[in-house]
Amino acid sequence: NAGVTQTPKFQVLKTGQSMTLQCAQDMNHNSMYWYRQDPGMGLRLIYYSASEGTTDKGEVPNGYNVSRLNKREFSLRLESAAPSQTSVYFCASRGVFGTVVEQFFGPGTRLTVL
Amino acid sequence: DAKTTQPNSMESNEEEPVHLPCNHSTISGTDYIHWYRQLPSQGPEYVIHGLTSNVNNRMASLAIAEDRKSSTLILHRATLRDAAVYYCITGGYGGSQGNLIFGKGTKLSVKP
Repeated sequence: NAGVTQTPKFQVLKTGQSMTLQCAQDMNHNSMYWYRQDPGMGLRLIYYSASEGTTDKGEVPNGYNVSRLNKREFSLRLESAAPSQTSVYFCASRGVFGTVVEQFFGPGTRLTVL
Repeated sequence: DAKTTQPNSMESNEEEPVHLPCNHSTISGTDYIHWYRQLPSQGPEYVIHGLTSNVNNRMASLAIAEDRKSSTLILHRATLRDAAVYYCITGGYGGSQGNLIFGKGTKLSVKP
């Protein structure tokens, strides 16, 4: 299993440009998440999807949109990038194994907006 | 805001035990205590979780205070690979309660 994969790994945008961050998981998990992590900070939840066809806002949703394309894929779109969106973006999925609930994270996308 | 309090940083020597504390005085009766860690330039990874009783797994042990207002993650023999930021998180399992709220965590340095 590849686990959670994210593309691209690095991206540089100019202010006002748009882009979509892709995320896929092969663990058949229902729930998926997008976080951002600014330097020296913890992760903040942008959006989550509890199941295919549903999405909900997290702590910092402004400036982002998401699409749960199917059970495997959950994309994050920046319609008009701003320097404040320079961050590392992590996608995650959640699995339940008996009494153990665990989130699995991708390797991250490092985004710089100039 | 994160609902837990952790020291910003801690240091340990290689092959010695490490006790990482966490205060969660406002924890509710149904909230679990989760620990994740983030190695440099990687996404977080699950370490351990518990509800009331102490827990052990291959990575670490979790000691939970009787009043559940604090807990301690124990690494029995620190290795250089254990140098990471450790996050203590409280929360439930289902729906939005299953969302993890990350604070700044504790940055653990391990000296050879």
